[in-house]
Amino acid sequence: GNSVTQMEGPVTLSEEAFLTINCTYTATGYPSLFWYVQYPGEGLQLLLKATKADDKGSNKGFEATYRKETTSFHLEKGSVQVSDSAVYFCALNQGGGGFKTIFGAGTRLFVKA
Amino acid sequence: GAVVSQHPSWVICKSGTSVKIECRSLDFQATTMFWYRQFPKQSLMLMATSNEGSKATYEQGVEKDKFLINHASLTLSTLTVTSAHPEDSSFYICSARKGLESYNEQFFGPGTRLTVL
Repeated sequence: GNSVTQMEGPVTLSEEAFLTINCTYTATGYPSLFWYVQYPGEGLQLLLKATKADDKGSNKGFEATYRKETTSFHLEKGSVQVSDSAVYFCALNQGGGGFKTIFGAGTRLFVKA
Repeated sequence: GAVVSQHPSWVICKSGTSVKIECRSLDFQATTMFWYRQFPKQSLMLMATSNEGSKATYEQGVEKDKFLINHASLTLSTLTVTSAHPEDSSFYICSARKGLESYNEQFFGPGTRLTVL
């Protein structure tokens, strides 16, 4: 079945450090891939998405590229800020009424000033 | 983006009572709504998926008689935790999606913190 695996956290970085959160997936066909973010005390919100191979999603300085050959969708940011501290979820969806979004376990990021 | 609201944002109840949580899509009609339970170490567990006017599809291990889901309209879904017990204490999150394509994102409510005494 479909699944998403992301690196375990927590990840602790200093401000302005480079961030990578790894995400790999298993799916049949051609799913769309997502990164959602959950800030403390809030619900999840979409950070970025990519709908086909080699697409790059980007938002708020974060980027992720849909790599079909390695079945990966790693999240990167060149310079993190304290305000980026949150939990990040990688997810995939194959569409259709019966399909649901499959989420990874989430990776907590702490950014220190 | 689209807005999904949940009410109440937090609730404390006595063991044995029932609690209803509402989820509304405020500015769009949701094709599908989802209910999740989030555990302290952040993992998100899908409880059920529902489409307007039809019965919810529950995930394996989720008791449908305990967690009643009603999807009354394209903008409203409710989760009722019946005969709540302390182990039901958790953070419940609803989500709504418009459309059936893979690229359709899900919009999440802010969550409801349930504490059962």
